[in-house]
Amino acid sequence: DAKTTQPPSMDCAEGRAANLPCNHSTISGNEYVYWYRQIHSQGPQYIIHGLKNNETNEMASLIITEDRKSSTLILPHATLRDTAVYYCIVRSNSGYSTLTFGKGTMLLVSP
Amino acid sequence: GAVVSQHPSRVICKSGTSVKIECRSLDFQATTMFWYRQFPKKSLMLMATSNEGSKATYEQGVEKDKFLINHASLTLSTLTVTSAHPEDSSFYICSASLLGGGSGELFFGEGSRLTVL
Repeated sequence: DAKTTQPPSMDCAEGRAANLPCNHSTISGNEYVYWYRQIHSQGPQYIIHGLKNNETNEMASLIITEDRKSSTLILPHATLRDTAVYYCIVRSNSGYSTLTFGKGTMLLVSP
Repeated sequence: GAVVSQHPSRVICKSGTSVKIECRSLDFQATTMFWYRQFPKKSLMLMATSNEGSKATYEQGVEKDKFLINHASLTLSTLTVTSAHPEDSSFYICSASLLGGGSGELFFGEGSRLTVL
């Protein structure tokens, strides 16, 4: 799996949008961008994934640059419960391919 | 989304004993499950890939005789920590993917925290 680079930590005010960046300059053509988050002492939670088009679901939006070398996860209205470590991972879309976790971004949402 | 359940969520054992952790996919079949370990303030580290009906594939540095993995059915994989020692204390997490890949995402269990005294 290609490596990703994320800022170690970010702060966000409750109710504001949280924009979490990720660089994945060595991503290959068949690799998707996945985002997971891990709340303290819980298993990782799937958020969203995409290949090259922007994606949106009930949790977040994923914006992928045209060259696919970077992406941004957007939580439109952050809440205190969104405080977690967010992992950006690139992975081929095979059921047999695992996820390789980096250090992620610790997002702290404050009142 | 699909549900993966782990049991027990917490276990405390004495040094030298063995501990079994179960990982179940509750509403889907998983030919492949993955076992991770996470130390405090660290990221998840892949330990092994568990394949239904065959031997697990272990990552470099992970002792297969110490961390026994059995994937007897399409919905159950077990991790047994044999002769546990305090340094095995960690957060163990399993994940599973839908049979055939589905949309590709992996689903994770809630994790099992092992404390070896």
